[in-house]
Amino acid sequence: EAQVTQNPRYLITVTGKKLTVTCSQNMNHEYMSWYRQDPGLGLRQIYYSMNVEVTDKGDVPEGYKVSRKEKRNFPLILESPSPNQTSLYFCASSLSARYEQYFGPGTRLTVT
Amino acid sequence: TQLLEQSPQFLSIQEGENLTVYCNSSSVFSSLQWYRQEPGEGPVLLVTVVTGGEVKKLKRLTFQFGDARKDSSLHITAAQPGDTGLYLCAGDIQGAQKLVFGQGTRLTINP
Repeated sequence: EAQVTQNPRYLITVTGKKLTVTCSQNMNHEYMSWYRQDPGLGLRQIYYSMNVEVTDKGDVPEGYKVSRKEKRNFPLILESPSPNQTSLYFCASSLSARYEQYFGPGTRLTVT
Repeated sequence: TQLLEQSPQFLSIQEGENLTVYCNSSSVFSSLQWYRQEPGEGPVLLVTVVTGGEVKKLKRLTFQFGDARKDSSLHITAAQPGDTGLYLCAGDIQGAQKLVFGQGTRLTINP
């Protein structure tokens, strides 16, 4: 089954404790991206990757890091999480930005 | 400032009524996508419009792309409770490899 998986689905952590949210897709897609979803703001892109070893900042990259060492994986790293990073995070993959985005189920992160 | 403005942000209507959701921008898009999101899930693509003036129909849902490719609308005829959800428009910015989303329209259809 074609899918995007994210782990964990729920995470509660404390300020400053480094965390990684994993994302994996099995569709051989070139393009992957991370979004955060906040009430009234819709989905905002954090980072995107057009291919292995190629990543670029989206609209809200501050406080986040990503890597794309393999085509299928695109982890999101929060080196020192802060409460304003409490949000619902989605990973997505596609052939490119202009094609259908396949979203993961989301990761709800709470930073206290 | 939101690049893509959706309106209304909230809409609650009775079953059987018609409704229209708008997605507007001052920017030109190569294409525009509409997604629907259910609680606890990621958005799922409904349709992509590419050509200015294009109209696509998906059962009771009609999507239109503006002639200048700066705006789009979603019209639902005879809404049903199963149409309840968050509707998101997303534009593919010309010349850039990124997609920008509107704030979303939370639609509730009451039986």
